[in-house]
Amino acid sequence: EAQVTQNPRYLITVTGKKLTVTCSQNMNHEYMSWYRQDPGLGLRQIYYSMNVEVTDKGDVPEGYKVSRKEKRNFPLILESPSPNQTSLYFCASSPRTYFNEQFFGPGTRLTVL
Amino acid sequence: DAKTTQPNSMESNEEEPVHLPCNHSTISGTDYIHWYRQLPSQGPEYVIHGLTSNVNNRMASLAIAEDRKSSTLILHRATLRDAAVYYCILRDGFGNEKLTFGTGTRLTIIP
Repeated sequence: EAQVTQNPRYLITVTGKKLTVTCSQNMNHEYMSWYRQDPGLGLRQIYYSMNVEVTDKGDVPEGYKVSRKEKRNFPLILESPSPNQTSLYFCASSPRTYFNEQFFGPGTRLTVL
Repeated sequence: DAKTTQPNSMESNEEEPVHLPCNHSTISGTDYIHWYRQLPSQGPEYVIHGLTSNVNNRMASLAIAEDRKSSTLILHRATLRDAAVYYCILRDGFGNEKLTFGTGTRLTIIP
């Protein structure tokens, strides 16, 4: 089944404890992206990747890192999480053709205490 | 990115058609109109997109005004499963392919 998977789905952590949220897609998509969703603010893009080893900042990249060593994986790294990073995170992927649909993962709900 | 305006919420009876409006008066000639929806506790999912002509697929229809300053997503026969937040998004297909989500329309289906 074609899908985007994220792990973990739920995470409660404490301020400053490094964490990684994994994202994997099995559709051989070139483009991958991370969004966060907060009440009243909608979904905002954090980072994106056009292909392997190519990443760039989205609208809200502060406090996050990403890497794209393989086509299928695009992990989101929080080196020193803070409470304002408590949010619902979505990974998305799509082929690099114009006007294509993006496929979203099921989401990761992160709470930073 | 050009801005879209949608009603905050709408209600519809089950098994009846639903028309979800979107205004995009500043749309440019190269902007495509995309619709996504987000079911409760799920990630967004693609619904449909179009440029100038009306479009149909298995999920919905998209009616685009002649001046392209507005569009309407049509669900022909709403079911309870269609209860979701619907987002109207403009994309030019260039750059980073980012989707700029607004606040969308929360659709409630009444049994």
